[in-house]
This record gives sequence, C-alpha cells and structure tokens, in this order.
Amino acid sequence: DGGITQSPKYLFRKEGQNVTLSCEQNLNHDAMYWYRQDPGQGLRLIYYSQIVNDFQKGDIAEGYSVSREKKESFPLTVTSAQKNPTAFYLCASSKWLGSSGANVLTFGAGSRLTVL
Amino acid sequence: GENVEQHPSTLSVQEGDSAVIKCTYSDSASNYFPWYKQELGKRPQLIIDIRSNVGEKKDQRIAVTLNKTAKHFSLHITETQPEDSAVYFCAASRVSSNTGKLIFGQGTTLQVKP
Repeated sequence: DGGITQSPKYLFRKEGQNVTLSCEQNLNHDAMYWYRQDPGQGLRLIYYSQIVNDFQKGDIAEGYSVSREKKESFPLTVTSAQKNPTAFYLCASSKWLGSSGANVLTFGAGSRLTVL
Repeated sequence: GENVEQHPSTLSVQEGDSAVIKCTYSDSASNYFPWYKQELGKRPQLIIDIRSNVGEKKDQRIAVTLNKTAKHFSLHITETQPEDSAVYFCAASRVSSNTGKLIFGQGTTLQVKP
C-alpha cells in the first residue's frame, strides 16, 4: 500500500472524546508529517517530525498531539480541545536529503474522521 | 508566516486544450517547488518539481515555470486528457533549512471534458 499505512480509514467520534489515528511506514524514511485536508483549504500542516523523539508544531497544531517513539510510527491524537475535528487526515513521510536534495513526500491513503 | 496562494480554485477545459495553474509564495527563501496530483479517492502524488536555480522544467505534457523575482510559479498541462482530471496542489519549501516542511496551496480542481 505504498509503504505508508494509515488506520482506520473511517472513524466516528462523539464530541468530547479523544481519538488516535495511526500512521506506520516501512520506507525507512526519516521525516513524517500530518496534514489536514478540508475542501478549498488545501493541505494544512498539523505536526511534523524529522527524527525519533522529536517533533514540531505545524500551522494548525492546536487541539492535536503526536509522538514519535519509533522511526516507523507517528500517531496523531485528536483531542476534545480541537474545535472542528471533522476532516480528512493525511500522513506522509520523506527521506530527508538535507540541502542537497528535494523533500519528496509519500502519502498514506488517509483517515476520515467524523464527529457526531 | 509562510503562505502559498493558488489560483484558480476550479478549472474546466475541453480535452486537448491547455490548462494553467498559478501559485504565489510569500517566503523569499523558498527554493523547492513541487506539484502534487490527487485523483478522486486517492492519495496525493508528486508529478513534477523545480528548484530555484532553474526557470523551467518539462516532463512530457506537463511543465513548471518559476519566476523568483515575482515569487510565483505555474503548472502547465498541454493536450489535456480526461485522466488529467484531479485536484492539483502546489507547494513551497526551503530545502536548506532543518525543517524541510512543505507549505501547500489551497488546491485546484481540474475537470477535463471529453
């Protein structure tokens, strides 16, 4: 499945509940990213991580949390503090080539979260 | 902060015509500009990219042009085909930084009518 797997594909959540989206890659990529996709707003960066045990906030990190305990895994938790969590979430990874290369992203198939 | 504006949001062309999508970026230090294509129900995939030391790059029916002075870049698709119908995203990044993060535009939905 392209080497990067997201689960679940569809998820329903009640208001006030936290939910965790899984992202696993077997591409030996260094960097991993979480994007949120909403109609007409493109792909907005939530969090990213370039190495294990380190991650940085993106443009819309409020109400989300992540961890990077293993190189292969970068789970995203959507907390009850996120005001509008219903969206399509895309995980991506890349082999960081530094200043000599391009940052080509490989995306997962996405997870669609609906808050009821 | 860093921002990428993409236009138009929707584009409809007849099969065989050309399509042009334009993006403007705010960070003058950006030096890497990829384009991703997302077909309906599928994940985005890289179709072409350009570095800031190049003004134009072509790959068969698609080409990208970059104007660093004006801070804008464009995707050109010639001889469009129905399979070109998709959402196209431009992005900008500084590959010299430690982040390497991509800032995406809002996306353009291209419809090619047979």
